[in-house]
Amino acid sequence: DAKTTQPNSMESNEEEPVHLPCNHSTISGTDYIHWYRQLPSQGPEYVIHGLTSNVNNRMASLAIAEDRKSSTLILHRATLRDAAVYYCILRPASGGYQKVTFGTGTKLQVIP
Amino acid sequence: DVKVTQSSRYLVKRTGEKVFLECVQDMDHENMFWYRQDPGLGLRLIYFSYDVKMKEKGDIPEGYSVSREKKERFSLILESASTNQTSMYLCASSLGNNGVREQYFGPGTRLTVT
Repeated sequence: DAKTTQPNSMESNEEEPVHLPCNHSTISGTDYIHWYRQLPSQGPEYVIHGLTSNVNNRMASLAIAEDRKSSTLILHRATLRDAAVYYCILRPASGGYQKVTFGTGTKLQVIP
Repeated sequence: DVKVTQSSRYLVKRTGEKVFLECVQDMDHENMFWYRQDPGLGLRLIYFSYDVKMKEKGDIPEGYSVSREKKERFSLILESASTNQTSMYLCASSLGNNGVREQYFGPGTRLTVT
């Protein structure tokens, strides 16, 4: 099953943009790239997902490399509430049981 | 907004006890999931269900069972709790079980087995 690689931790200043990278060199053609985040003492929260094209929603933007072997989650203006662990995972498009690996993610620290 | 609720935020049980963790979702999702989360190991799938009374084993089903009698409710059962089952348990639901759809998670139950 395809895995993802993320830095263990990153820091950002408040109100500045944050680029969180994710490498997924073994991604298959039908894998969707999903991002979730987990605030302290809470369950993971869906952020954004995409297949090939860049995606935007109210929370963030997702930039996907042309070869799809990497992607970047972009928070346009970091706030203290964005301090969380961010997970990048791959989910196949087909149905049935799929082993989905949530790794250890990137812990984002936002500095006031 | 989708809401996934779990019966307890914190639970302390003794070794050998039978433990029930309940999860309810309010968005008519077919798919529901149970994960456990441990430091350094990320989230690991225990079981999932794609319909009422249907279930599939995930990556670490040993020591657990599940029940789904109604679409909105998915229960995780620890038949005889052991200390190595001390963990954070997370329930999730989704409209489909593929990459097209996102998962929605509950707040988690932190279970301690003594």
